[in-house]
Amino acid sequence: NAGVTQTPKFQVLKTGQSMTLQCAQDMNHEYMSWYRQDPGMGLRLIHYSVGAGITDQGEVPNGYNVSRSTTEDFPLRLLSAAPSQTSVYFCASSPWDSNYGYTFGSGTRLTVV
Amino acid sequence: QQPVQSPQAVILREGEDAVINCSSSKALYSVHWYRQKHGEAPIFLMILLKGGEQKGHDKISASFNEKKQQSSLYLTASQLSYSGTYFCGSEGGGSNYKLTFGKGTLLTVNP
Repeated sequence: NAGVTQTPKFQVLKTGQSMTLQCAQDMNHEYMSWYRQDPGMGLRLIHYSVGAGITDQGEVPNGYNVSRSTTEDFPLRLLSAAPSQTSVYFCASSPWDSNYGYTFGSGTRLTVV
Repeated sequence: QQPVQSPQAVILREGEDAVINCSSSKALYSVHWYRQKHGEAPIFLMILLKGGEQKGHDKISASFNEKKQQSSLYLTASQLSYSGTYFCGSEGGGSNYKLTFGKGTLLTVNP
């Protein structure tokens, strides 16, 4: 079982560039989400999905798009990168069963210059 | 809103106990607890559900007071491996599937 796989692990972008952070899980989890982690801010929810074809906004959605065409994949798109989007991004998934917590990917460290 | 964690940081000697608190201004359906070591992903510790019992495994346990909208994480006889940042996450329940995390508590266990 690979769990939650995020690619790339590191990325440097120039201001205004776009890119997609990939997230895939092989546990057949219905729920997937994206968080960003900044020093002293904890984990802040960007977008989440409760199943294929269904997505919704979290606390800090501006500047990001998501889609969920399959159960396994939940990519995060940065439309026009800004220095304020420099952060560590984590993808997480969980099943519907409330007794299970989230499984996090290893993260993507993004720097926007 | 993010749940509020306290303290922000705590330093222990091996074998000492610690309590980390998490409070929310909103009604809670569940509370999650995670530990994150530097440069790594958060790891799930436990979940407490509304109406559920206090949970724990090994020397780490937690409680959930629904009326006060608070949860506490108890670490007893701390080990060096307990060092890391602890996050609580709160979920409102119903159709609200958003898990909102606190800013974290940095726990350092020294020999």
